[in-house]
Amino acid sequence: NAGVMQNPRHLVRRRGQEARLRCSPMKGHSHVYWYRQLPEEGLKFMVYLQKENIIDESGMPKERFSAEFPKEGPSILRIQQVVRGDSAAYFCASSPPGRSGANVLTFGAGSRLTVL
Amino acid sequence: DAKTTQPNSMESNEEEPVHLPCNHSTISGTDYIHWYRQLPSQGPEYVIHGLTSNVNNRMASLAIAEDRKSSTLILHRATLRDAAVYYCILLNAGGTSYGKLTFGQGTILTVHP
Repeated sequence: NAGVMQNPRHLVRRRGQEARLRCSPMKGHSHVYWYRQLPEEGLKFMVYLQKENIIDESGMPKERFSAEFPKEGPSILRIQQVVRGDSAAYFCASSPPGRSGANVLTFGAGSRLTVL
Repeated sequence: DAKTTQPNSMESNEEEPVHLPCNHSTISGTDYIHWYRQLPSQGPEYVIHGLTSNVNNRMASLAIAEDRKSSTLILHRATLRDAAVYYCILLNAGGTSYGKLTFGQGTILTVHP
């Protein structure tokens, strides 16, 4: 049973380019969460999605960032016109359906974005 | 969300037990206590969770105070591989928190050979 798969593991972009990070949740998981970890900082929640729905995007920067989780295929975190401050590790997590305080999140290994 | 307080760092020797404390004095009756850890250059990893009773699994034990205002993660025999940042997080499915984990600064655990 494969875990949460993220790709690419490492991505280098020049300022102004677009970055697309993909996340395939664990089998049977329908909830996806994206977190960002800036260098030497903690993990910050960005967005929570279910299939075809954004449930909570309270942690997403107002501009340039978007996320989707289509009916088919992986969840995608898209960063347009990247800037150096976007350089970070982006982690995806998934959890089973249902709302419970006992929900356990399974994290991927992360995608490390470097903006030159 | 109710907050947790953890020491910034702790040290241990290999093969000795480690007790990582967490204070959560404003915990509500429906908050679960979760522990995750993040090894260097890796994604966070679930360790254990509990509500009221002490819990054991293959990785660790969780001791929860009777008033639930504090808890302790116990690693019975630390190994070098246990060196990580350990996060104590409260999770409540009610309101807007559903399954969203809010990470604090955590405790940096250093394990000496």
